[in-house]
Amino acid sequence: NAGVMQNPRHLVRRRGQEARLRCSPMKGHSHVYWYRQLPEEGLKFMVYLQKENIIDESGMPKERFSAEFPKEGPSILRIQQVVRGDSAAYFCASSPIGQSTYNEQFFGPGTRLTVL
Amino acid sequence: SQQGEEDPQALSIQEGENATMNCSYKTSINNLQWYRQNSGRGLVHLILIRSNEREKHSGRLRVTLDTSKKSSSLLITASRAADTASYFCATDDGGSNYKLTFGKGTLLTVNP
Repeated sequence: NAGVMQNPRHLVRRRGQEARLRCSPMKGHSHVYWYRQLPEEGLKFMVYLQKENIIDESGMPKERFSAEFPKEGPSILRIQQVVRGDSAAYFCASSPIGQSTYNEQFFGPGTRLTVL
Repeated sequence: SQQGEEDPQALSIQEGENATMNCSYKTSINNLQWYRQNSGRGLVHLILIRSNEREKHSGRLRVTLDTSKKSSSLLITASRAADTASYFCATDDGGSNYKLTFGKGTLLTVNP
């Protein structure tokens, strides 16, 4: 049973470049969540997606950030024109069920983005 | 304090001792979860306790929840060096139970 897969594990970008982070949920999971962890901070919710739908993007910065979860393939978190403040660990989580009173989320190993 | 705030921020104990970490939160919740994160790694889910539960056990872990005080505690008994990690509590906001809020965590160091 493969867990949540994220790649790349480490990503270095120069200011102004684009960063693409990928997440493959656990088998049988159709709900994906992205979180960001700044240094010395806890994780902060960014976006919740189901296949082909963005359910809640209230934690996403309004500009430069976008996320998708296509019918086929992994979920993608895209950051355009990266700035140094985007340097963080980005975690993806998945769950087999969405809104219910029981929602255990399984996390991937994270992608550590460094913006030079 | 923030939703899902842990204390202490750091805890250092000897192998074999018990470790207790606390978490406080502000809003009503459906569930509270505890996670462990080894340095530079991903999060490992430890235990979920529902708002109508008061105590839950899993191996050497014991979690309590006091909704009247909006607080939870995680007890690790007979600690091992391998338990060295950061521990986070995560809460939902009682409405959208998928939107987890994490505190800054408690860094636990277990000395051999």
